[in-house]
Formats: sequence, structure tokens, C-alpha cells
Amino acid sequence: KQEVTQIPAALSVPEGENLVLNCSFTDSAIYNLQWFRQDPGKGLTSLLLIQSSQREQTSGRLNASLDKSSGRSTLYIAASQPGDSATYLCAVGWNTGKLIFGQGTTLQVKP
Amino acid sequence: NAGVTQTPKFQVLKTGQSMTLQCAQDMNHNSMYWYRQDPGMGLRLIYYSASEGTTDKGEVPNGYNVSRLNKREFSLRLESAAPSQTSVYFCASCSQGTPGAEQYFGPGTRLTVT
Repeated sequence: KQEVTQIPAALSVPEGENLVLNCSFTDSAIYNLQWFRQDPGKGLTSLLLIQSSQREQTSGRLNASLDKSSGRSTLYIAASQPGDSATYLCAVGWNTGKLIFGQGTTLQVKP
Repeated sequence: NAGVTQTPKFQVLKTGQSMTLQCAQDMNHNSMYWYRQDPGMGLRLIYYSASEGTTDKGEVPNGYNVSRLNKREFSLRLESAAPSQTSVYFCASCSQGTPGAEQYFGPGTRLTVT
């Protein structure tokens, strides 16, 4: 059974710091991996999608990497800002579109 | 283009009452999903519909039924609500089979069962 783990559960950093969020999964037979952002009381916003054949994806200050063989993905946020404060969720997917989610990392960026 | 919409936004039910959560998408996606999100548990898949006319169970289907009414709409029904079904419910859709297969989420329905 696929299990997805995110470490740490919570993170607090000063503004401007670069940071890395971690996601690990137990079954490497995935179709893709998706990173989401969730603001309090809101829905999920897709940040980056990495196909199983890809190693990384970039969008602005965000860079996500995928290492299927080791069952790991990282989300790198450069030059963090208070507006980045949110919960970040990773999810591994199959070609049916089914997703298995991690429990999320709650990030606080202090001004 | 509204994306994925859900109604209602909030609902309070008494134990034993029934209700239907509605979801619609205007992106012409084939696949639709229902998740629940509980504190400390992350999101868990309840049911999904890979294409119009098909539905399948996810991780936590007990106590729920679904209907894929047409390509746009996918509803979730609680026949006899229980306090354990207090949660935030999210609907999502994606264009299954395309290289992207990115999933798009609705804003959620916050359900409390007393």
C-alpha cells in the first residue's frame, strides 16, 4: 500500500531564507507527483506537477525534484516571503488520476 | 471559466440525516474525485469516476454513495450522517490520460454532523 510522508510537519523561517520541504513515498511505481498549496480554510492550488519520467520542474521561486528510485521528492522555495505561509501538500498519482496525499507541511515565514 | 465548483460551502446535519454534496466542472475533464480532509489525516479519496458512467471506491468509501450525473457533475451522498463524517469535503477533476493529468480542486464543503 502506498504511503506518503512529509517532513517536517511544521516549519518556521525568517523572510528571505531558502528552504526545502520533503516528501517520501513507499511505492516507486507512480505516474506523477504533484505539489499543492493550501491556505487556511481554502481549497488546494496546484503548484508543480512532475511526471514519472522527469527529474524536476520549476515555476518562479519554486523548484520540485523527483527521485523515483529512492522514493523522494523535494520542494525548494527560494527567497521565502510572508505570502508563502501556507500548508504544502505532496501527492503521488496513478494514470487513473488517483492521488495519495501526504499530511502536509505547514510553513510560516516571519517578516 | 469557473473551474470546479461545490455546493454548499457549509452544512450542519444531525446524526441520521441525509444530504447530497454537489460538484461541477467546466473544463471538459473526464475524471472526477471526492476527497475528505481531516486534521492530521491529510486528504483521503472517497470515490472517483474515471469517466462518465463509471465510479469506483477509494480509500474510505463506507457511508457514502456517488453519482456521475453527466460529464460535468459528480455528486456525493450521505444517506445517514454520522459524527465521524464531520470533515471538509473536496471535489477535484482532471483530464485523465493526458501527459499533464494535473488535478484541479474545488473550494470545499465544510460539514459538521452533531
